[in-house]
Amino acid sequence: NAGVTQTPKFQVLKTGQSMTLQCAQDMNHEYMSWYRQDPGMGLRLIHYSVGAGITDQGEVPNGYNVSRSTTEDFPLRLLSAAPSQTSVYFCASRRTSGGPFYNEQFFGPGTRLTVL
Amino acid sequence: DAKTTQPPSMDCAEGRAANLPCNHSTISGNEYVYWYRQIHSQGPQYIIHGLKNNETNEMASLIITEDRKSSTLILPHATLRDTAVYYCIVRVQGAQKLVFGQGTRLTINP
Repeated sequence: NAGVTQTPKFQVLKTGQSMTLQCAQDMNHEYMSWYRQDPGMGLRLIHYSVGAGITDQGEVPNGYNVSRSTTEDFPLRLLSAAPSQTSVYFCASRRTSGGPFYNEQFFGPGTRLTVL
Repeated sequence: DAKTTQPPSMDCAEGRAANLPCNHSTISGNEYVYWYRQIHSQGPQYIIHGLKNNETNEMASLIITEDRKSSTLILPHATLRDTAVYYCIVRVQGAQKLVFGQGTRLTINP
């Protein structure tokens, strides 16, 4: 299994540009989520999904959109990038039921985004 | 989710046991204690979790006090690769989000 993969690894945007951060998992996990981590800070939840076609907001959803058309993919869209969105973005997934480790959340390697 | 308090930093000698404390005095009866770590800006990695009994796996041991108001993560023989930020998180099993605090920056010294 590749686990949770994220692309790109690094990205530089200008203010106002749009882009999509990609996240995919091959573990057939129902739950997927996006976090952002600012320098020296813990992770904050942006959006999450409990299955295909179902998404919900986390702590800091403003400026971001998500969709979940398949179990495997959970892209994060920045519609109009702002310098305040400069951060490291992590995607994560886990099962939602069954087995002794269904609460273990698997994280991707992150996307480092700079908005100028 | 209950709030957790961890020391901002700790040091430990290589080969010794690293004991990382966490206070969670407002924990509810149905909330679990989870530990994750983050090595050098990589994605966080799950370590262990427990409800009230002590737990052990291939990575670490988790000791939860009888009143459940605090816990200790033990890395029995710390190596340089264990240098990381360790997060103690308290939440209801299956809850939708993990709330990450500041964590403890553990440095393993040769």
